[in-house]
Order: sequence, then structure tokens, then C-alpha cells
Amino acid sequence: GDSVTQMEGPVTLSEEAFLTINCTYTATGYPSLFWYVQYPGEGLQLLLKATKADDKGSNKGFEATYRKETTSFHLEKGSVQVSDSAVYFCALETSGSRLTFGEGTQLTVNP
Amino acid sequence: DAGVIQSPRHEVTEMGQEVTLRCKPISGHDYLFWYRQTMMRGLELLIYFNNNVPIDDSGMPEDRFSAKMPNASFSTLKIQPSEPRDSAVYFCASSLGTSGGPDTQYFGPGTRLTVL
Repeated sequence: GDSVTQMEGPVTLSEEAFLTINCTYTATGYPSLFWYVQYPGEGLQLLLKATKADDKGSNKGFEATYRKETTSFHLEKGSVQVSDSAVYFCALETSGSRLTFGEGTQLTVNP
Repeated sequence: DAGVIQSPRHEVTEMGQEVTLRCKPISGHDYLFWYRQTMMRGLELLIYFNNNVPIDDSGMPEDRFSAKMPNASFSTLKIQPSEPRDSAVYFCASSLGTSGGPDTQYFGPGTRLTVL
């Protein structure tokens, strides 16, 4: 079945550091790929998405590129801020409307 | 728009009691999803509806769980009887349907359920 694997957390960085959170997937067909962010005490919010190979999703300085050859969708940001501290979830959607989530990666950014 | 509204935000109950969680999706959205989040199992899809009709309930853990959507603006998730292992955060999400299926899912703030 479909699955998403994220790099294990937690990840702790200093402000302005470069961020990479790895995400790889297994899916039949051609999934759409997503990154969601969950701030403390809140629900998940869509951060960015990509619907086909080589697409790049971007939002709020975050980027991720849909790499079909490596089945990956790594999240990157060039300079993180304290306000980026949250849990980040990689997810995929294939036909049938189901979102399959990764385990989530806790990010803490220190000033 | 107010976003997806869930109530209550917190629920503490005793084992064996009935629990009802409520969700109001974003107006105009025709897909509604119920998820459960725990440390052990992460985020799991329990059930989803399209135009108030349950489409896939394969994630519902057992017969103690039931979900209804009597109209386009309201859904409930009921647990009867509740057990301590049901303790989790339950999220409702909604999305707008497109020709290819549902679009981006918008999540509510969740209901934190504790069963003692």
C-alpha cells in the first residue's frame, strides 16, 4: 500500500540556519504530494503541494520538488525563523481521495 | 470564512461513557474527513464523506465508532462505549470537490479526547 517515510526528529536549529526535512514515498500510480504544518495546539495547515513530477511547491520561503526518480519530496528553507517551530508532515494522495501522512517531524528553532 | 469548526475542544470522560464529537465544515465544501492523531500511530484517516454520503470507512477502528453527516454543514463522530485507548486528538477536515476528486483539505483545530 501507499506509505510516506520522513526523517526522524526532533530537529533543532538556530535561527537563520538552513533546513532540510527528508520525505520519501511509496505509492501506486501518480500521487499528489503535500507538506502540512501543525503549530502547537492547532490543526494541520497546508504548507505547499505538488501534483506531478518535477513540480516545485513553495510557500513562506519553504520549497519542495516532486522527484519521481527518487520518490522524494524533501522540504527545504534557506533561513529558518523561531516562528517556524512546529511539526511538519509529508503526505501523499492517490486516487480514492485518501491522504497518507508521514510520522511528522518536530522542528524547534532557537533564537 | 470561519474555517472548520470542531466542538468540544477538550473532552474528558470515563471509560464506558458515550462521546460525541462535532464538526462544521467550511461552507460549500462537499468532502468531509475525520482523522485521529496519536503518538503511537500518527495521523489516521477514519472515514470520509462526499455530499453527506460515507465513501470510505475502512479506517474506523471497530463497531464502537460511528459517524454521521445528516446535512452539508454538520457531522458527528460517536464512540460508544469509550475506552482509554481511544484517547487521542480527533481532527475534522473539509475540502472542495473538483473533477479529479477533493482539493486541498482544511483542518479544524481538533478535539482532544481523554478517556479515564
